[in-house]
Amino acid sequence: EPEVTQTPSHQVTQMGQEVILRCVPISNHLYFYWYRQILGQKVEFLVSFYNNEISEKSEIFDDQFSVERPDGSNFTLKIRSTKLEDSAMYFCASSRTPNYGYTFGSGTRLTVV
Amino acid sequence: AQSVTQLDSQVPVFEEAPVELRCNYSSSVSVYLFWYVQYPNQGLQLLLKYLSGSTLVKGINGFEAEFNKSQTSFHLRKPSVHISDTAEYFCAVSDPNNAGNMLTFGGGTRLMVKP
Repeated sequence: EPEVTQTPSHQVTQMGQEVILRCVPISNHLYFYWYRQILGQKVEFLVSFYNNEISEKSEIFDDQFSVERPDGSNFTLKIRSTKLEDSAMYFCASSRTPNYGYTFGSGTRLTVV
Repeated sequence: AQSVTQLDSQVPVFEEAPVELRCNYSSSVSVYLFWYVQYPNQGLQLLLKYLSGSTLVKGINGFEAEFNKSQTSFHLRKPSVHISDTAEYFCAVSDPNNAGNMLTFGGGTRLMVKP
């Protein structure tokens, strides 16, 4: 069964450093998403991406965040200058059509120290 | 704005017993509804979804859910649970008319199946 692959599974970074979280969506999917889950809290929407541009973003997705699909297979989330409160599990997801139901990756646990 | 409330943060149940995980949503527009399951150290897996049509939706692993528009609920049920159903379950809602297709999640319910 096709999977969404996320790397790394766990990343530790120092406050103020830039991090890039990587995702390989399912190959025939067209819609891509990032979500995050702070420990003990709800899963929260960050951003959706379609046709090489952002479709929607949440209030969390401020100027410190950016997304890119650099080569037609990878989908990356960059955090420019990490803060302690960015520590969370970050999930990538993709879908073939809107509302078809996402396929999520296993997540990257980001720890900012 | 949409919101999802999962009324129980934890549900302990014995193996082979029935279970119901409750989900209520609030929305001023029509909705699509989803249940996801998260096993330890894994991602979110789609269990089932309601888009339109029959209000009783069957999903994987023997789970089903019923959409009740008047009560704005989408409770998840299984008639007989297994140890392997121990996981975190998330209810989610989306707006069919929203171009960004974002999901709004509930806080999750941890199902703990005991032998």
